[in-house]
Amino acid sequence: QKEVEQNSGPLSVPEGAIASLNCTYSDRGSQSFFWYRQYSGKSPELIMSIYSNGDKEDGRFTAQLNKASQYVSLLIRDSQPSDSATYLCAVNIGGSNDYKLSFGAGTTVTVRA
Amino acid sequence: SAVISQKPSRDICQRGTSLTIQCQVDSQVTMMFWYRQQPGQSLTLIATANQGSEATYESGFVIDKFPISRPNLTFSTLTVSNMSPEDSSIYLCSVDSGVGNQPQHFGDGTRLSIL
Repeated sequence: QKEVEQNSGPLSVPEGAIASLNCTYSDRGSQSFFWYRQYSGKSPELIMSIYSNGDKEDGRFTAQLNKASQYVSLLIRDSQPSDSATYLCAVNIGGSNDYKLSFGAGTTVTVRA
Repeated sequence: SAVISQKPSRDICQRGTSLTIQCQVDSQVTMMFWYRQQPGQSLTLIATANQGSEATYESGFVIDKFPISRPNLTFSTLTVSNMSPEDSSIYLCSVDSGVGNQPQHFGDGTRLSIL
């Protein structure tokens, strides 16, 4: 079983719609969860961090975490063409004092104008 | 967050040669990480580099192939040795604060092609 799995996509949404990205992880000891955005030909850019169960909102982005279900998601509201990118879910592995991150395979999002 | 500079940004190399990639950070950081991103794939951690100690390699990566230096708290190098076409990838340097639970931030990466 992979440590971090994402819905494979690609995901195509119309401009203004909500894009929903999902991620599950296998290590119950994981304490930190991150979403990165990677534009084609660029390096990953951190867009959200979440550490506690529930929702965390930052602008048009909302991260949701459910540790019991080992599930983390990212919602992009009012999607814009500039949101077209690959989104990577990253999870720390090994507990709160472990610095290593495991990345999912990524979900490619295309926002249609 | 820290500003991370990688050099070179890209290179085309002949098989059997070696290339050293540099990662410079504008502030002192405890942890530096080296990742590989093969075409169309996600990120795979190669090793973790701490200043003053040997790098810690992940399963499938060995020091003879990917020697790493970490001479101080702002700089690290990764060498890709005896390159083959399978080494064609993006190599990324990242840093975090050194405290558990913190996100990592990435340099712009080195795009490496092996002929």
